[in-house]
This record gives sequence, C-alpha cells and structure tokens, in this order.
Amino acid sequence: NAGVTQTPKFRILKIGQSMTLQCTQDMNHNYMYWYRQDPGMGLKLIYYSVGAGITDKGEVPNGYNVSRSTTEDFPLRLELAAPSQTSVYFCASKGSGGSGNTIYFGEGSWLTVV
Amino acid sequence: AQTVTQSQPEMSVQEAETVTLSCTYDTSESDYYLFWYKQPPSRQMILVIRQEAYKQQNATENRFSVNFQKAAKSFSLKISDSQLGDAAMYFCAYRSTPESGGGADGLTFGKGTHLIIQP
Repeated sequence: NAGVTQTPKFRILKIGQSMTLQCTQDMNHNYMYWYRQDPGMGLKLIYYSVGAGITDKGEVPNGYNVSRSTTEDFPLRLELAAPSQTSVYFCASKGSGGSGNTIYFGEGSWLTVV
Repeated sequence: AQTVTQSQPEMSVQEAETVTLSCTYDTSESDYYLFWYKQPPSRQMILVIRQEAYKQQNATENRFSVNFQKAAKSFSLKISDSQLGDAAMYFCAYRSTPESGGGADGLTFGKGTHLIIQP
C-alpha cells in the first residue's frame, strides 16, 4: 500500500539554492495537491492539479513551481530558497466520482532553509 | 472564500474520559464536506472522520463522533474513552463539492487543537 510517496523526507538548503520535492501516487488519482505547514498552523495550499498537464495556484504559490507531466507524479520546485520557505511540505491526492471526497496525504517533507 | 476556526489551541483530558473539540466555519455554499484530521508528532495527516453537509445524520467512527450543526456552521468532534494514542494535533477542514465548483482546490484548514491525554 504505497499511496502517496514524498521524497526527500528531510532536507537542509542554503539560501538561494534550488531543489525539487518529489511526489508520486499509485492510486490513479486525477487530483493532486501541495500544501505547506508552518509551526503552529494548519496546512495551506501551494499548488494543485486536476490532471496531467493542468496545474493551478493555491493560496501561497509565490516562490514555487509545479509540473504534472503524468498522472502519477507532481513535483514541487523551489527555485531560490528563502528562510520563509522553512516548513513541512505535504503532497496529497484525491480521486474522482464516488470516492472523490477524501484527500490522501503523504508523510511530509521537512525543509529547512539556512 | 471559506474560513475554518478552531478556538481551542489546546485541550487536556484524563484517559478514559470524553472530550469535545470545537470547529466553526464560514461559507455561502449549501453543500460541502467537513473533515477532522489527526496529526501525531510524526506529522502524518490521518483522516479521523468526514461529514457530507447534505446528510443530517452525524458521522461516527468507533470512539469518534461529530456534532454537525449546519445552521450554526458548527462541526465539533467528540472523542469517547480517550486513549493515550489519541494525543495529537487535530485539524478541522472544509472542502467544497465538485458541483459547487470547488472540488479541485483542496481543503481549507483550521489552525488546529493540541489534544493532551493525561494518564
């Protein structure tokens, strides 16, 4: 039962560096999401995708980019890391139709920018 | 835009007792989904219970139940027979339905309630 898999689980970046958080799901879900969770806060939506080739901005998209070339993968790119991007990042996915009302989360990726 | 408010930053309960976590939300939509997620120290997000707004019956999952008051826009979580493993952050979340045009844009979360279980 792989579900939603994120890598890496932990990463330390220097200011100005770039990196990609990988996310893959094996449930054939059309909808995928990236959230960030700052200390003491709930999750906030960064970007989402309703299917391969389609992406859209969420609540806090600045400083990030995404792509969705396949149904399974939804990588999140940080181009010029800033300390404000220190957070825990969650990838999630959701199916359509009758099972489409539950969002499944990955285990999170802890990112520190120093 | 929808908002979700959890007014209790922290709650404490004795093991085996019952505790209720509060959640209110603001929306102009008539149909939507509501969720409670549990986040233990590992940070994994675990779905506890969900409620469809069109259903009048309150959802239950074993020791977890909700009190859904649609007119008051209230969605509280009751945990019965609290166990040490229930200690975690609990997040209330809202999502629009596909029919209302919001099914793609994910969940709106409250800030969470930290639940402490005292042995």
